[in-house]
Amino acid sequence: EPEVTQTPSHQVTQMGQEVILRCVPISNHLYFYWYRQILGQKVEFLVSFYNNEISEKSEIFDDQFSVERPDGSNFTLKIRSTKLEDSAMYFCASSDPRQRTYEQYFGPGTRLTVT
Amino acid sequence: AQRVTQPEKLLSVFKGAPVELKCNYSYSGSPELFWYVQYSRQRLQLLLRHISRESIKGFTADLNKGETSFHLKKPFAQEEDSAMYYCALRGIYNQGGKLIFGQGTELSVKP
Repeated sequence: EPEVTQTPSHQVTQMGQEVILRCVPISNHLYFYWYRQILGQKVEFLVSFYNNEISEKSEIFDDQFSVERPDGSNFTLKIRSTKLEDSAMYFCASSDPRQRTYEQYFGPGTRLTVT
Repeated sequence: AQRVTQPEKLLSVFKGAPVELKCNYSYSGSPELFWYVQYSRQRLQLLLRHISRESIKGFTADLNKGETSFHLKKPFAQEEDSAMYYCALRGIYNQGGKLIFGQGTELSVKP
């Protein structure tokens, strides 16, 4: 069964550094999402992407964040200058609008640790 | 305000006991409600959605619009049900839209 994949599984970076988190959504899915979960808190929506552009973003998704679909398979989240409070688990998800359910399928997550 | 509330961080029951994981929501439009489950070291996966009105792995959930609740129930818990459970919602007319999650409830089923 196809799955969303994410790399790396764990990323450690220093404050102020740029990080790129990578996701490969399920092939033929058209909606892509990033969520994050700070330890002990709820899963929070960051951004959704459809038809090669951002369709919705949260207040968290400020100028330090950007998303890209550089080719037909990858979907990336870039944080330009990481802060300590960016430490979290980042989840990628994808969905297929041709499925009646629009179910969002999640990746295993990337744990980002900012020191 | 759009919000999902799961009041219990941890719910511990014995095998064979009934389970109810509570979920209340606040949403200005028409919501679609979901339960997601995350087993140890696995990814978040959809358990059930209110629209399908299914029973999955013995779990059911009924949307109560009057009480704005979507509690997850199972009459007889099994050890393999131990996991994190997240209630979530999105706009029913915004099916490509974001999911709003609750804090999650850890269910621990003891032998």
